[in-house]
This record gives sequence, structure tokens and C-alpha cells, in this order.
Amino acid sequence: EVQLLESGGGLVQPGGSLRLSCAASGFTFSSSGMSWVRQAPGKGLEWVSGISGSDGRTYYADSVKGRFTISRDNSKNTLYLQMNSLRAEDTAVYYCAKLYCSDGSCYWGQGTLVTVSS
Amino acid sequence: QSVLTQPPSASGTPGQRVTISCSGSRSNIGSNSGYWYQQLPGTAPKLFIYGNNQRPSGVPDRFSGSKSGTSASLAISGLRSEDEADYYCAAWDDSLSGWVFGGGTKLTVL
Repeated sequence: EVQLLESGGGLVQPGGSLRLSCAASGFTFSSSGMSWVRQAPGKGLEWVSGISGSDGRTYYADSVKGRFTISRDNSKNTLYLQMNSLRAEDTAVYYCAKLYCSDGSCYWGQGTLVTVSS
Repeated sequence: QSVLTQPPSASGTPGQRVTISCSGSRSNIGSNSGYWYQQLPGTAPKLFIYGNNQRPSGVPDRFSGSKSGTSASLAISGLRSEDEADYYCAAWDDSLSGWVFGGGTKLTVL
């Protein structure tokens, strides 16, 4: 059974930092491109960042470039998102997801809530 | 402002056929596969269509996807009350080097 389990969310003050983790199981994580997608309260889905499976190339949305860093540890089957200089507009549920699939093997975690507020 | 454009709402009565559109550009839907997700309240999105028109196992064949040029569509036939949800389209964008989503369509079954 495929599982993506996010953790690390919580309440943080503006300007603060948080590190999200996503533990993957049930599929070949090391060769899979992975992404973080967020959803602000009552809003739509917004892609935040992605990392390729093959060469670890990273990609970022303009809204987080320079503040967020995506990384992975294939030995632990874990995806990370380091979030610095957090702003109120970063408040959202953050999902870990395998977005690309040519065979229907796209997966999403259950999400972790990040709240940026003083 | 989402890169992919969807109508904010759609509706139909049980048994009807409903279509949700997703308008993109050459750099996303025009050159890459389109995906559709269903999101029920308080839950994570679930893949309903990949590769423009492929259904993952477990998705009813009442759901079908298509693509024409730079637009994609999701059609739901034999509408049922449990289809009431938010639907999002998505695609990789070559120009942005990132994934783009539609703003979402809230489907109401009257």
C-alpha cells in the first residue's frame, strides 16, 4: 500500500522557519519526482516546489523562490521542505505528492497544516 | 490568477452529463499530459484522470477526459450525488518549469 505521511506543520511567527517532512512507502521513491503542493484555507491548489528522482534537480514557484528549499533523502525514503522567512500568505495545508505518472501511479499525502501568525 | 482556467462552478441533476473545461497554453496542456483531480471537503485531492484521458483503477467509467489543442475537458455522465466535489486540472508547464493547476470547479448535484 502506498503511503505519503507528512509531518512538521504547526504555528510559526512571521519571519520564522519550519521544516516539513514526508515519509514515503509502497513505491520506488528514489526514482520518482516529488512535489510539495499547498492549499490556503478556502482556496485552490498551488504547486510550491518539485525535485526530480533521477538527478535531484529542483524547481520552485516564484512565490517561494529564495525562501523555501526542497530536498530528499533516498536512503530514508523521505522528502523535505525547509521553509524560511515565512509570511502570513504561506498559511496553508501542505501536501506531499507524486504528480507525474504515466501509469496512474500518482499519489498525495493527507497534508500538514502550516499557520503563520503572530 | 491561475495559469489554467476553469469555470468556478458547474451543476447538474442526477443522471445528467456535465463537462468541465480547462484552458491552458502551448507550454502546458498543449505539450504535456493533462491531469484531473477530485477533492472532497477536508480530504486530499484524488487522481481521476491522467495522460489526458486515462482512468486510474477504481475511478468509475462515468468519468472521461479529453484534450484538444491547449484545452482539456472532464466529462461526467450519469451524474450522482457523490460526484459533488471540487475538481482541478493540472499539467506540467515547460516555460515555467513547474506544475500548474486550474483554479478549481465546484460541482453541485442539484
